[in-house]
Amino acid sequence: KAGVTQTPRYLIKTRGQQVTLSCSPISGHRSVSWYQQTPGQGLQFLFEYFSETQRNKGNFPGRFSGRQFSNSRSEMNVSTLELGDSALYLCASSQQGIDTGELFFGEGSRLTVL
Amino acid sequence: EDQVTQSPEALRLQEGESSSLNCSYTVSGLRGLFWYRQDPGKGPEFLFTLYSAGEEKEKERLKATLTKKESFLHITAPKPEDSATYLCAVQVKYNFNKFYFGSGTKLNVKP
Repeated sequence: KAGVTQTPRYLIKTRGQQVTLSCSPISGHRSVSWYQQTPGQGLQFLFEYFSETQRNKGNFPGRFSGRQFSNSRSEMNVSTLELGDSALYLCASSQQGIDTGELFFGEGSRLTVL
Repeated sequence: EDQVTQSPEALRLQEGESSSLNCSYTVSGLRGLFWYRQDPGKGPEFLFTLYSAGEEKEKERLKATLTKKESFLHITAPKPEDSATYLCAVQVKYNFNKFYFGSGTKLNVKP
């Protein structure tokens, strides 16, 4: 069974640009969450999607947005990049519907903003 | 506010030297506590889920326990391949779609 796939794995952008990251969840998983991981802050919750609906959002500015498609694949977008957006962005999928389940993470997209 | 704190931040052990990692939490209604292992450059990998105080789970050299305010990850006779960052996360009853993560304990096991 294929795991969570994130693309691209690495990318470098400059301040003011925007970036789109992609996540393909494990087959059958309908919930997709996004987390930002930095050395100082650890894993911070960005948002969670289920059946194309955003169910939860963390405390990030509106420059961070996401969406989920009918096949459960998800994208997140960061506009007007700032130096502080440099981080590892992790996507996780789970079988959540009614019951909870553990998160299965991808290997992440490492974003460097210059 | 829901909060998860892990200690120590870093831990160096000799191979075979057992120890414990701590995860303390303050949440308004715990649904589950999760332990993950993260290797450098990789995403976290699920280890255990604990749901109620007194519960214990074991896997090879790792054993996780849960009380009403904290969880411990006990590592018995660790090997160098156990070196990684160990993360705990809590899931709350009123919002189980969102996990709160601790900042992790970086474990280094020397041969």
